[in-house]
Amino acid sequence: AQSVTQLGSHVSVSEGALVLLRCNYSSSVPPYLFWYVQYPNQGLQLLLKYTSAATLVKGINGFEAEFKKSETSFHLTKPSAHMSDAAEYFCAAALSSGSARQLTFGSGTQLTVLP
Amino acid sequence: SQTIHQWPATLVQPVGSPLSLECTVEGTSNPNLYWYRQAAGRGLQLLFYSVGIGQISSEVPQNLSASRPQDRQFILSSKKLLLSDSGFYLCAWGPGGARGIQYFGAGTRLSVL
Repeated sequence: AQSVTQLGSHVSVSEGALVLLRCNYSSSVPPYLFWYVQYPNQGLQLLLKYTSAATLVKGINGFEAEFKKSETSFHLTKPSAHMSDAAEYFCAAALSSGSARQLTFGSGTQLTVLP
Repeated sequence: SQTIHQWPATLVQPVGSPLSLECTVEGTSNPNLYWYRQAAGRGLQLLFYSVGIGQISSEVPQNLSASRPQDRQFILSSKKLLLSDSGFYLCAWGPGGARGIQYFGAGTRLSVL
């Protein structure tokens, strides 16, 4: 069974510093991968998606993620954090075969941006 | 473009009362539909999903139920709410046949007192 692990339930960075949120997946078949962001009391917003095309994926709000098959990772980065980036981030995976109708979510990483 | 509507945004209900949360999608046909629950400080728990009218799959046994009376309408119900039903409920839709991508509604904050 596939699983998604997000290392670090809480990450704090200073404004202007690099943001790095880690995500590893476990699957015998490379899955489709997604990052979502959730602001307080709101739904999840899709940041970016990897669907077996380019391994470096650019998303909204200056975020990007790189798919590394050898490391089974899909880490999310942003060169310079902004106060508005403070939110919870979820990594999710969907198998590229089978029903592919469900996402497996990581447990989330709460990003705090310090002034 | 596609949009998803979920209401109400906030709901306070007494223990033992019924529940009905509604979700509708516009701008697409035959979507996959999902209900998730997010307890305070917890991740997302898939409750139900549907790939077509009248087709409901339950992921977690509980006192909740789901129905899909129309192609783009998904309803979450309960006959008698429990305190443990409190949480943030999210509806999502995904294109039928696509590789798992899902788009989420704004959520309903349910407090059972």
